Amino acid sequence: DIQMTQSPSSLSASVGDRVTITCRASQSISDYLNWYQQKPGKAPKLLIYAASSLQSGVPSRFSGSGSGTDFTLTISSLQPEDFASYYCQQSYSSPRTFGQGTKVEIK
Amino acid sequence: QVQLVQSGADVKKPGASVKLSCKAFGYTFTSYFMHWVRQAPGQGLEWMGIINPSGGSTTYAQKFQGRVTMTRDTSTSTVYMQLSSLRSEDTAVYYCAREPINYVPSFDPWGQGTLVTVSA
Repeated sequence: DIQMTQSPSSLSASVGDRVTITCRASQSISDYLNWYQQKPGKAPKLLIYAASSLQSGVPSRFSGSGSGTDFTLTISSLQPEDFASYYCQQSYSSPRTFGQGTKVEIK
Repeated sequence: QVQLVQSGADVKKPGASVKLSCKAFGYTFTSYFMHWVRQAPGQGLEWMGIINPSGGSTTYAQKFQGRVTMTRDTSTSTVYMQLSSLRSEDTAVYYCAREPINYVPSFDPWGQGTLVTVSA
């Protein structure tokens, strides 16, 4: 199975901050990397697919980059509604493994 | 619009089985895989398995082999996930999520989730 490792596991940031979350795969997954946002009590929501493609309806302050084994999710200017948990997921092979998540909290 | 609607919360005793449903609306049911993912309280996302609604083929996570069964009913656009020999560690929210068969693989949308509580 491909292992996905996210860092950090949590972070505190202020509204307007630039936030970066990283995800590393245990082997090359090309660009088969997705990012999800999850708010408390809600289902995850797709933000970014294929490493850098913005899902329809997702604000442009979210962006993704990377290929191979190292990937990044960036929020250019954190907004109040962005405080949530974020998960990366590889879709290169089965099982579709997830990172352990990053919780973004208010500073 | 595209929507996945899951069955309601359930409480089971250890050793029992639970069967959850996920009904699809707004798209061609057989054009998308369906995955099941669970999330224990305060924990991350755990992939359980996948079903191809077109032919019914399945692949399960090794952890759940022998305990999980995924099926589908094309006449009602519904997939089912049965988990047997429940234990307290199976207490979690269970989600279904759609993935395109012939496009970039990603999970969208997700069902609203079903809370399963396993308690004596």
